[in-house]
Amino acid sequence: SQTIHQWPATLVQPVGSPLSLECTVEGTSNPNLYWYRQAAGRGLQLLFYSVGIGQISSEVPQNLSASRPQDRQFILSSKKLLLSDSGFYLCAWSVGDRERDEQFFGPGTRLTVL
Amino acid sequence: DQQVKQNSPSLSVQEGRISILNCDYTNSMFDYFLWYKKYPAEGPTFLISISSIKDKNEDGRFTVFLNKSAKHLSLHIVPSQPGDSAVYFCAASAVNYGQNFVFGPGTRLSVLP
Repeated sequence: SQTIHQWPATLVQPVGSPLSLECTVEGTSNPNLYWYRQAAGRGLQLLFYSVGIGQISSEVPQNLSASRPQDRQFILSSKKLLLSDSGFYLCAWSVGDRERDEQFFGPGTRLTVL
Repeated sequence: DQQVKQNSPSLSVQEGRISILNCDYTNSMFDYFLWYKKYPAEGPTFLISISSIKDKNEDGRFTVFLNKSAKHLSLHIVPSQPGDSAVYFCAASAVNYGQNFVFGPGTRLSVLP
C-alpha cells in the first residue's frame, strides 16, 4: 500500500531563517507530487506541483521553492522565511498516469514563523 | 478571485440529522469535483467525487449533488455522526488544469450528540 511521509510535524523558525520541509512517498512509482499551504481560516492553496524528477511548476510567486531530487521525494525550501509563511503545509501525491484522480495527503507540517 | 466558494464557514447539526454542505464555483470549465474531509493537524482525506456527466453520486452515508446550471454542488451526510465533525473542503478541476484542483476555503461541521 502507498504511504506518504512528511517531516517535521511542527516547526518554529525565526524570520529570515531558511526552511526545508521533506516529503516522501512509498509504494508507488512516478507519482504526481504537490505542496499546499493552509493558512489560518483559509482553504488549501496549491504552491507547487511536479509530474516528474526535476520538473517543478509554481502556482504562486513567493519566496518559497520546491525541488524533486528523486522520484518519490519532494522538498519545499526557503532561503529567508517571512512572517506570512506561517501555516500548515501539506504534501500530496496522485497517480501519475490517470487523469484527475484524487490526491492523497500527508499528515502536514505546522510552521510558525516568529 | 476565489473560483471555488464555500460560503458557510461553519455548520452545526444534531446527531442523526442530515448535514448539507454547499459549494459554489465560478469557472464554467470545471467538470470534476471532489470533497475532502480534514481533522485538525491531519492531512485531508478524500471522501467522494462527481463528474459533470452526472448530477448525483452516492457512497454510503455521503451523497454529492451537482447542479451545473447553477454552478453549485452540495454534500449530504445522512445520518450525521459525531465522528463526522471536521472541516470539509470542496475541490474543482478542469481538463486544462491537468491534475490540479482548486480548493474552497472549507466548512467546519460540528455534529452535536
